[in-house]
Amino acid sequence: QKEVEQDPGPLSVPEGAIVSLNCTYSNSAFQYFMWYRQYSRKGPELLMYTYSSGNKEDGRFTAQVDKSSKYISLFIRDSQPSDSATYLCAMTYMNRDDKIIFGKGTRLHILP
Amino acid sequence: NAGVTQTPKFRVLKTGQSMTLLCAQDMNHEYMYWYRQDPGMGLRLIHYSVGEGTTAKGEVPDGYNVSRLKKQNFLLGLESAAPSQTSVYFCASSYSQKSGTGYQETQYFGPGTRLLVL
Repeated sequence: QKEVEQDPGPLSVPEGAIVSLNCTYSNSAFQYFMWYRQYSRKGPELLMYTYSSGNKEDGRFTAQVDKSSKYISLFIRDSQPSDSATYLCAMTYMNRDDKIIFGKGTRLHILP
Repeated sequence: NAGVTQTPKFRVLKTGQSMTLLCAQDMNHEYMYWYRQDPGMGLRLIHYSVGEGTTAKGEVPDGYNVSRLKKQNFLLGLESAAPSQTSVYFCASSYSQKSGTGYQETQYFGPGTRLLVL
């Protein structure tokens, strides 16, 4: 089983819809969970991060972590064509030198 | 601040040629990383550095060498390029801050270098 699993998509949704992006993971030691957004031909940029379980909201974006199920989600409300990108989940442990493990990314298309 | 910059943006090499990719950051970050990104494979860590003068192997280090002579620069070298090294290469730098009972690391990525090896 891979450490981090993420559906590659593509996921196509109409403008204004709520988008749900998900990752599952196998290592219960992960403590920090991140979502990166990557536009075509650009580097990934950090969108949100959460520590341990729970929800975190930032504008139209909500990150959710369920450690009991080893499942993380990113919700995008009122989706816009500018949200079209690849979204990568990422996670790491607690120590200073621990590496970040990335999912392979989900391609999202918001249809105008 | 320019953030993380990478040169060149695009390069074509013939098999067996060598080249060096340059990464520079102006955020005074201690940690720097080189990744490659291939379709269906996601981001894979090649080498990383936890400070000036230090380097360490990542997940896929074979065929690559790195150097961190200055804190702001991290160089990735290909001594003898192979078609399997055709990829998009991303550099990243990071800082760490205390969060909860551990550390939260935030990585900043450069724009990438597209490399084609024929």
